[in-house]
Amino acid sequence: EVQLLESGGGLVQPGGSLRLSCAASGFKFSTYVMSWVRQAPGKGLEWVSVINDSGGRTNYADSVKGRFTISRDNSKNTLFLQMNSLRAEDSAVYYCNQGGWLASWGQGTLVTVSS
Amino acid sequence: DIQMTQSPSSLSASVGDRVTITCRASQAIRNDLGWFQQKPGEAPKRLIYSASSLQSGVPSRFSGSGSGTEFTLTISSLQPEDFATYYCLQHNTYPYTFGQGTKVEIK
Repeated sequence: EVQLLESGGGLVQPGGSLRLSCAASGFKFSTYVMSWVRQAPGKGLEWVSVINDSGGRTNYADSVKGRFTISRDNSKNTLFLQMNSLRAEDSAVYYCNQGGWLASWGQGTLVTVSS
Repeated sequence: DIQMTQSPSSLSASVGDRVTITCRASQAIRNDLGWFQQKPGEAPKRLIYSASSLQSGVPSRFSGSGSGTEFTLTISSLQPEDFATYYCLQHNTYPYTFGQGTKVEIK
């Protein structure tokens, strides 16, 4: 069974940084594209970023380009999202996803950007 | 970026009703579209991929159709557990984009 467990969320001040992690199990992590999707409180879903299986190719939403960095450690079956220069509008639940087509989802981790 | 226009934004329906939700893409995306269901307080769940393929374990009352720019999600006979918000996602061109969502409520 695919399991995705996000961690690293919390309260951070505007301009601050946070690193999210996603521990994956139940599938061969190193062969899958992985993604992040977020959802602001009471709002719809927003695609954030994707990384290919080797980690050599990435893509980002315009809203986070230049501030967020997706990466992975295939030896530890873990996906990361480094978030810098955080803004209030980055406040959301962040979901880790298996595949570029979002086949499976974690339960999410809440990020709140506020002073 | 490709815009996904989903309609309606909300609807009220009764158990047993046939429900149809539409997504329109601002440019052709072949069949690179998925449909997702989200219940309050839960993570989304994929129902349909490649516009019309049913995700394993999803009831057959859910179906998807379309290609190019027009797509539909149909629930043939609405069940109590289907009251939720539904989203489409285009995965043809980066950045991928979601529709705004359709909330299906009890009439």
